[in-house]
Amino acid sequence: DIQMTQSPSSLSASVGDRVTITCRASQSISTYLNWYQQKPGKAPKLLIYGVSNVQSGVPSRFSGSGSGTDFTLTISSLQPEDFATYYCQHSYSSPPWTFGQGTKVEIK
Amino acid sequence: EVQLVESGGDLVQPGGSLRLSCAASGFTFSNYAMSWVRQAPGKGLEWVSALGDGGTKTYYADSVKGRFTISRDISRNTLYLEMNSLRADDTAVYFCAKSPHGYGHLFHYWGQGTLVTVSS
Repeated sequence: DIQMTQSPSSLSASVGDRVTITCRASQSISTYLNWYQQKPGKAPKLLIYGVSNVQSGVPSRFSGSGSGTDFTLTISSLQPEDFATYYCQHSYSSPPWTFGQGTKVEIK
Repeated sequence: EVQLVESGGDLVQPGGSLRLSCAASGFTFSNYAMSWVRQAPGKGLEWVSALGDGGTKTYYADSVKGRFTISRDISRNTLYLEMNSLRADDTAVYFCAKSPHGYGHLFHYWGQGTLVTVSS
């Protein structure tokens, strides 16, 4: 099974900050890497698919990069509504299509 | 507009059974792969099971294999998850999710979730 490891597990940041979250796969997953945002009590929301494709309706301050085993989600200028938990997930080849453990972005 | 509405969550005793439903609308249900993803209280997301877009291929996480069964009824546009031999660690909010064509099993639409509690 492919393991997904995110770092950090949590971070504190201020409005306007540039935030970077990393995700590492235990083996190459090509470009089958996706990012989700989840707010308390709500369903996850797809932000980025295929490493760098921004889902329709998602603000352009969200971007993704990487390939193979190392990937990054960047929020260029953190907004109040961005405080949430972020998950990476691989959708490569065979199941299980695992998620990272999550990164909680909190207000500094 | 795509809508996914889960139901069937309940309090059930260890060893018991439950069937979850996910009513889908706003798209051609038979043409898309669907999954169940769960989230234990205060924990992260765990993919549980998927049904391929042809409706015949099924996939399961090791943690539920042999106990859970995914299926669909195209006439009712409904996805199901039959859960047997339930354990305390199955306690979670269960989400159904739709996958788009291409990019593998990623999840671009989600339901609001239904809570399953396994406890005596």
